[in-house]
Amino acid sequence: ETVMTQSPVTLSVSPGERATLSCRASQSVSSNLAWFQQKPGQAPRLLIYDASTRATGIPARFSGSGSGTEFTLTISSLQSEDFAVYYCQQYENWPPYTFGQGTKVEIK
Amino acid sequence: EVQLVESGGGLVQPGGSLRLSCAASGFTFSNHEMNWVRQAPGKGLEWVSYISSGSGNIHYADSVKGRFTIFRDNAKNSLNLQMSSLRAEDTAVYYCARETRYYDTSGRPADAFDIWGQGTMVTVSS
Repeated sequence: ETVMTQSPVTLSVSPGERATLSCRASQSVSSNLAWFQQKPGQAPRLLIYDASTRATGIPARFSGSGSGTEFTLTISSLQSEDFAVYYCQQYENWPPYTFGQGTKVEIK
Repeated sequence: EVQLVESGGGLVQPGGSLRLSCAASGFTFSNHEMNWVRQAPGKGLEWVSYISSGSGNIHYADSVKGRFTIFRDNAKNSLNLQMSSLRAEDTAVYYCARETRYYDTSGRPADAFDIWGQGTMVTVSS
């Protein structure tokens, strides 16, 4: 099973600042990685797939990069609606599909 | 509007059974692979099960293998999860998620869980 490890667990950022979230895979997942955003009481929302492709309707301030085992989600200028929990997911080595444990982005 | 709506959750005793359903609308259900993903209270996301568009390929997480059964009815645009021998650790919000295969400019495929339902809560407790 491919274990996905996200860091940090919590990220405190001021509105307007840049946020950088990391995701590491225990073995190569090529570029078969997605990022999701989840707000309290809501379902996850797809942000990024194929490591760097934004999903439909996702603002350009969200960008993804990386391949192999190291990935990054960057939010260039945090808006109030971006404070949430973010998960990475690999779909290279499946089953099972595996998710990271999440990074909570909170207001500083 | 593209939509997935889960139903069937509730309170069940340990060892009991429950069937979850997911109603799809606004897209051609039979063209998509589907998944169930769950989230225990205050915890992260855990993939549970996968079914291919024609039901010919099915996979389960080890944690539910032998206890859960995924099936679909393409004529009714419905995805289901039959859960039996339920345990306290199965307590979670259960989401159905559509899987879509996208292609980049070179034709290379990439899969994504692009549409999720709102979830249905399953509580296993005596």
